[in-house]
Amino acid sequence: DSGVTQTPKHLITATGQRVTLRCSPRSGDLSVYWYQQSLDQGLQFLIQYYNGEERAKGNILERFSAQQFPDLHSELNLSSLELGDSALYFCASSVDQFQPQHFGDGTRLSIL
Amino acid sequence: QQQVKQSPQSLIVQKGGISIINCAYENTAFDYFPWYQQFPGKGPALLIAIRPDVSEKKEGRFTISFNKSAKQFSLHIMDSQPGDSATYFCAASGNQFYFGTGTSLTVIP
Repeated sequence: DSGVTQTPKHLITATGQRVTLRCSPRSGDLSVYWYQQSLDQGLQFLIQYYNGEERAKGNILERFSAQQFPDLHSELNLSSLELGDSALYFCASSVDQFQPQHFGDGTRLSIL
Repeated sequence: QQQVKQSPQSLIVQKGGISIINCAYENTAFDYFPWYQQFPGKGPALLIAIRPDVSEKKEGRFTISFNKSAKQFSLHIMDSQPGDSATYFCAASGNQFYFGTGTSLTVIP
């Protein structure tokens, strides 16, 4: 058990809809990272927050947004969903930016 | 542009054999190189990591070899076991993490 909790585990929705994925980091970790994993793209870094502030941005679409709250949990919002957004979304956390990341077990998003 | 290139895409090894996965990077600013192991239905788990000031790090049956001049690093799994069958990702970190595309390892009993 990595200590990183992601909810929900599975999400099925339709094109055009909006969903919110939630992540609770390990106790004491200030950094939260979001990744998208699809079969043909591997692990793609989306965005990182550190203690509530955006720290780094990767290949995150404009339809996606994230935030980290004062209690350090984070949410990833995906809107105007397309079939191609179907993937596993992982959250990871670390003590700070330069420490090892610990991953949750992901949210599987299926767009019908 | 793939910041970290990983090979092979898949690997089949006999039980007791050595599994070798290779990664290459371009950005000399990277200063942390972890390997992750992922089982189906689970998130990647940190396996072993190295920083560029050492050329090798060993933890149990897992060894990272690091060649700074060639900008390459590799994971060696000695005495491979069926329980090692998983997907392995290398990564490199500077101001953000970049992951390789993964290697699916199958260890045959």
